Amino acid sequence: EAGVAQSPRYKIIEKRQSVAFWCNPISGHATLYWYQQILGQGPKLLIQFQNNGVVDDSQLPKDRFSAERLKGVDSTLKIQPAKLEDSAVYLCASSPQDQPQHFGDGTRLSIL
Amino acid sequence: DAKTTQPPSMDCAEGRAANLPCNHSTISGNEYVYWYRQIHSQGPQYIIHGLKNNETNEMASLIITEDRKSSTLILPHATLRDTAVYYCIVESNYQLIWGAGTKLIIKP
Repeated sequence: EAGVAQSPRYKIIEKRQSVAFWCNPISGHATLYWYQQILGQGPKLLIQFQNNGVVDDSQLPKDRFSAERLKGVDSTLKIQPAKLEDSAVYLCASSPQDQPQHFGDGTRLSIL
Repeated sequence: DAKTTQPPSMDCAEGRAANLPCNHSTISGNEYVYWYRQIHSQGPQYIIHGLKNNETNEMASLIITEDRKSSTLILPHATLRDTAVYYCIVESNYQLIWGAGTKLIIKP
């Protein structure tokens, strides 16, 4: 089966600019996750969707981060405006109900 | 905060068994232990998970102590491609809370 697809693979922007990441989960996976992974740390959950509804966004910095999952399939994560501390890898994962998560290879974001 | 403690790094000789320890002394009775690994510049890859009983699949074995306060991931015949960061995770409220993991280096 095809894996979780993410784009772009790399992104470099200046602080205060905006950026968007895209995720296409594995077909049929109802649950979709966005994680932030800072260098040297494990991933930190930002938001979890069940179909097109938000299950948990308690760790999403809502003043600058937003995410949507239209039609319960693809998802986008946006940062506006970006800060230096947002430099990280943004990982998308998907899973069937109550099954292990499958991860994409992430988008590496660098803020100048 | 992560509910697990792992050594920051380990070495293992190629062809030998790699045994990665994990402490999770505050685990609750219905919380699963998951193991993932992350090879450089890739996303995390699921390895195995368990609740109480030992588990084995094509990648690894998971040994959970009877009191469930610790576990060991065993890679039976390590290869150079097993070099990665290995994460031991306790699933809490259907979420994975990740620590910093163990960097496992397989040496020729």
